[in-house]
Amino acid sequence: DVKVTQSSRYLVKRTGEKVFLECVQDMDHENMFWYRQDPGLGLRLIYFSYDVKMKEKGDIPEGYSVSREKKERFSLILESASTNQTSMYLCASRRIVVAGETQYFGPGTRLLVL
Amino acid sequence: AQSVAQPEDQVNVAEGNPLTVKCTYSVSGNPYLFWYVQYPNRGLQFLLKYITGDNLVKGSYGFEAEFNKSQTSFHLKKPSALVSDSALYFCAVRFYGGSQGNLIFGKGTKLSVKP
Repeated sequence: DVKVTQSSRYLVKRTGEKVFLECVQDMDHENMFWYRQDPGLGLRLIYFSYDVKMKEKGDIPEGYSVSREKKERFSLILESASTNQTSMYLCASRRIVVAGETQYFGPGTRLLVL
Repeated sequence: AQSVAQPEDQVNVAEGNPLTVKCTYSVSGNPYLFWYVQYPNRGLQFLLKYITGDNLVKGSYGFEAEFNKSQTSFHLKKPSALVSDSALYFCAVRFYGGSQGNLIFGKGTKLSVKP
């Protein structure tokens, strides 16, 4: 079974703090993704990575950065947390881009920025 | 523009009755369609997908979905709903273009099954 884990289920941070969200997958997947989920807005793609050290901006990258130094780990960084970044953050991974590959999700990190 | 729509924010069903959660899409070329389910405070779990072949796709937990090309729809169905099916359901479509095959998600439909 594919397993995608996220470092924290719940996180409380203060405005201006630097926040690191970690995601690890154990299936040697090339592609990894970070989404945020907000009520009424569904899932929105923040960043994705096709392979180690590669990254691409998604739909809402502002205020975020990412790091992928190892294949199994994809980190999302909030450089200076703001209250509008309070959200549920979901990580996902997938085998290399071919037709029909399934994307697998981690359990999510619920972040509250005060 | 590529898009996916879930026209209902919420669907209410009595236990034992059939359920349908609707999804329509707009994508150029052949779509790859997915359904995911999310239980409270959890990540998304894969239910089923349509890639090619038989238009009726069977997935986890007794769910199935029918791909209808003429109506550009991929509705999720189950013959007999369970209270434990209550969750948030997301439809997603993949296209190949500038984003190299990333998923586009609908906004989600909350399914409530009452005893």
